[in-house]
Amino acid sequence: QITLKESGPTLVKPTETLTLTCSFSGFSLATLNMGVGWVRQPPGKALEWLGIIYWDDDQRYSPFLNRGLTITKGASENQAVLTMTNLDPLDTATYYCAHTTYSGYDVFFDYWGQGTLVTVSS
Amino acid sequence: QAALTQPRSVSGSPGQSVTISCTGTGRDVGGYNYVSWYQQHPGTAPKLLIYDVSKWASGVPDRFAGSKSGITASLTISGLQPEDEAEYYCASYGGTYSLVFGGGTKLTVL
Repeated sequence: QITLKESGPTLVKPTETLTLTCSFSGFSLATLNMGVGWVRQPPGKALEWLGIIYWDDDQRYSPFLNRGLTITKGASENQAVLTMTNLDPLDTATYYCAHTTYSGYDVFFDYWGQGTLVTVSS
Repeated sequence: QAALTQPRSVSGSPGQSVTISCTGTGRDVGGYNYVSWYQQHPGTAPKLLIYDVSKWASGVPDRFAGSKSGITASLTISGLQPEDEAEYYCASYGGTYSLVFGGGTKLTVL
């Protein structure tokens, strides 16, 4: 059974850096074809894809995000880390991590974390 | 952001069928059979319903059916049930190794 959970700060000041950790079980980022993606959702708004990291360290990012974004593996093979720099109040959102299996261009998320609300405010 | 276009809301009565459209371009929906659909109830995480245009995710009833014609993908929900009331999002490969979501559609079961 695959489960994921996001953790990190709930309040961040503008211009600061956000670091979120996705801890998961039921799969490993050391295993062939496994991947973890990040999706965010501003309050009352639509989902927005941020990026993905795959088992082989292949990283893909949204071309529409005008923020410094990095997704890496965590300290263990059961963690992924999202780092976003120079935050703006518009980055206030619920951030989700989700499981995916590598299939070339085909990307879909079959298991999701519960999400964590991050507020950017001074 | 160049989101896929979905109607803001649709509605139907229990037992009826509704269809939610998702319109993109030839560079995303029209160019690849990599459309997925998600259901999201208030305050919860999205749930995968359909992937690769018309394949059912595990445990999803066949009342939910996906299709595509040209640059428009569709999700049809038949035999509407009260618990189907939720927000629905489409997503597609968007080129340059990216994924793009639709703006979401609120389904109301009357």
